[in-house]
Amino acid sequence: EDQVTQSPEALRLQEGESSSLNCSYTVSGLRGLFWYRQDPGKGPEFLFTLYSAGEEKEKERLKATLTKKESFLHITAPKPEDSATYLCAVGRGGSEKLVFGKGTKLTVNP
Amino acid sequence: GAVVSQHPSRVICKSGTSVKIECRSLDFQATTMFWYRQFPKQSLMLMATSNEGSKATYEQGVEKDKFLINHASLTLSTLTVTSAHPEDSSFYICSARVSGLRNTEAFFGQGTRLTVV
Repeated sequence: EDQVTQSPEALRLQEGESSSLNCSYTVSGLRGLFWYRQDPGKGPEFLFTLYSAGEEKEKERLKATLTKKESFLHITAPKPEDSATYLCAVGRGGSEKLVFGKGTKLTVNP
Repeated sequence: GAVVSQHPSRVICKSGTSVKIECRSLDFQATTMFWYRQFPKQSLMLMATSNEGSKATYEQGVEKDKFLINHASLTLSTLTVTSAHPEDSSFYICSARVSGLRNTEAFFGQGTRLTVV
């Protein structure tokens, strides 16, 4: 059965304190790993898609990387506006559905 | 990125009534749309997959007669919560993927906060 596990569940950082969020997955025939950001009371906002091990994507202070077993979302010098829940999801061949992790709630204190 | 619009963003209804939520892909065609439910401080729970021109596929444990889904066009899917009860109060979110590209990301609507009183 496809599984996505995110860690930690919650993370508190000081502004400027870099860190990483983890997404471990087991899926039959990975066809994309997706990162989303969700603010309270809003729908998830798309951040990145990664397709193959070794691939990296960057956007402002965020960088996503992928191996055969996990993905990391690196946050460099975060700001309070980066506070949100970050969701990881995987897609697999033969299915339109995405399997989501439970998310990591990030709080960045000024 | 592509835009998915969901309406209404908030709705309050009385027990026993029905409420309809719309999900539109504004700048792309979506053969498949998805409906999720999210409880406080929890992740997304897939309710059903909505396919244009055919019946929706419901996840195990989701009552198809209670949550009616219609995907009448390549840009519109609707979720109707019938005979709503307070336990149906939740945050409902739709998403859509670009047609023909199976491995692309899904784009989400803003969500609908349903409160049944």
